[in-house]
Amino acid sequence: DGGITQSPKYLFRKEGQNVTLSCEQNLNHDAMYWYRQDPGQGLRLIYYSQIVNDFQKGDIAEGYSVSREKKESFPLTVTSAQKNPTAFYLCASSGRREVSQPQHFGDGTRLSIL
Amino acid sequence: GENVEQHPSTLSVQEGDSAVIKCTYSDSASNYFPWYKQELGKRPQLIIDIRSNVGEKKDQRIAVTLNKTAKHFSLHITETQPEDSAVYFCAAKGSTSGTYKYIFGTGTRLKVLA
Repeated sequence: DGGITQSPKYLFRKEGQNVTLSCEQNLNHDAMYWYRQDPGQGLRLIYYSQIVNDFQKGDIAEGYSVSREKKESFPLTVTSAQKNPTAFYLCASSGRREVSQPQHFGDGTRLSIL
Repeated sequence: GENVEQHPSTLSVQEGDSAVIKCTYSDSASNYFPWYKQELGKRPQLIIDIRSNVGEKKDQRIAVTLNKTAKHFSLHITETQPEDSAVYFCAAKGSTSGTYKYIFGTGTRLKVLA
């Protein structure tokens, strides 16, 4: 979906290093989400934000952090506390929370350990 | 907590046959049910969705049915083609405790055999 841009497409992390994944949307969506997908697995929710300056933990938030300073941007930091970060990370957005609308996904970032 | 169960996890059909994937959700407040198709290494893409005030929706070869009483919804693909081969995810969006998030099923890998 051209409305959500994730970067970089591939990212490598060294031991003890924090890395930040970028997610930008121009869909004027209120809500944004981060998911982790392991090979052959489903989507697991890391963090989500329903409005600027507010976010909630998902099911697997440990070792990750986020910020939502602007409506368009929802960066995800994978900290050194996340011991098994290798996965495919998907960012998504959706409209006003009360409205039944689909999520739109970015093309993903594939993170690997060096 | 909220949960969506999806079956089967893998499904093989002959080209031209029909495929059915079933999901069950736990949150009775769920009111929106999208289905996504994900090809290998790509982002999930919405293929059809249904809202809680509708029992069935069809779009060409794809249909979705919803049974609110039983908290079941199903994806039906008719006249399957090799390009239908992918992983399919169901999801339910609810509003438990004022938060709005999408709960995903674990996915069904569909293989259409030529």
